[in-house]
Amino acid sequence: DVKVTQSSRYLVKRTGEKVFLECVQDMDHENMFWYRQDPGLGLRLIYFSYDVKMKEKGDIPEGYSVSREKKERFSLILESASTNQTSMYLCASSSSAGYYNEQFFGPGTRLTVL
Amino acid sequence: DQQVKQNSPSLSVQEGRISILNCDYTNSMFDYFLWYKKYPAEGPTFLISISSIKDKNEDGRFTVFLNKSAKHLSLHIVPSQPGDSAVYFCAASDEDSSYKLIFGSGTRLLVRP
Repeated sequence: DVKVTQSSRYLVKRTGEKVFLECVQDMDHENMFWYRQDPGLGLRLIYFSYDVKMKEKGDIPEGYSVSREKKERFSLILESASTNQTSMYLCASSSSAGYYNEQFFGPGTRLTVL
Repeated sequence: DQQVKQNSPSLSVQEGRISILNCDYTNSMFDYFLWYKKYPAEGPTFLISISSIKDKNEDGRFTVFLNKSAKHLSLHIVPSQPGDSAVYFCAASDEDSSYKLIFGSGTRLLVRP
């Protein structure tokens, strides 16, 4: 069974703080993703990584950065948190084996920026 | 511009009846479609998928239909159960980036006992 874990379920930060969200997967997946989920907007891709130290911007990368130093770990960084970054953040991973690759999601981190 | 659209934000059905969730897409390069189910405070979980070479895929109570000419797919749940109450997301991928998924905005299904 694939397991994707996220470091926190709930997080409250202040405007301007640097925020780290950690994600770890245990299935040796090559691909990892960070999404945010907002009501009426579905899941929007922030960044993804298809290999260690490799990253690509998704649809809404502004205000975020990522780090992938090890295959199993993918971190999302909010350099200076703002209130419009209050959201549910979801991490996912998938294998590159095969052609169509189901993504497996973590439980999410509900971030509130005050 | 949303490439994957779920135009019904919510749906309510009686237990035992059929639930039909709809999804439209605009990108004709999409060749693989998935449905995910999400309970509150949990991550989405994969439900069922369909390749563009098929027009139907069935898994127990869940069936996905694909109409390529209309760029439309639907998820049928028969019979609906209260435990099916969740948000359902439609997602699509294309041949050029098969590891990347484009999600719709979701439909909240409520199955009334």
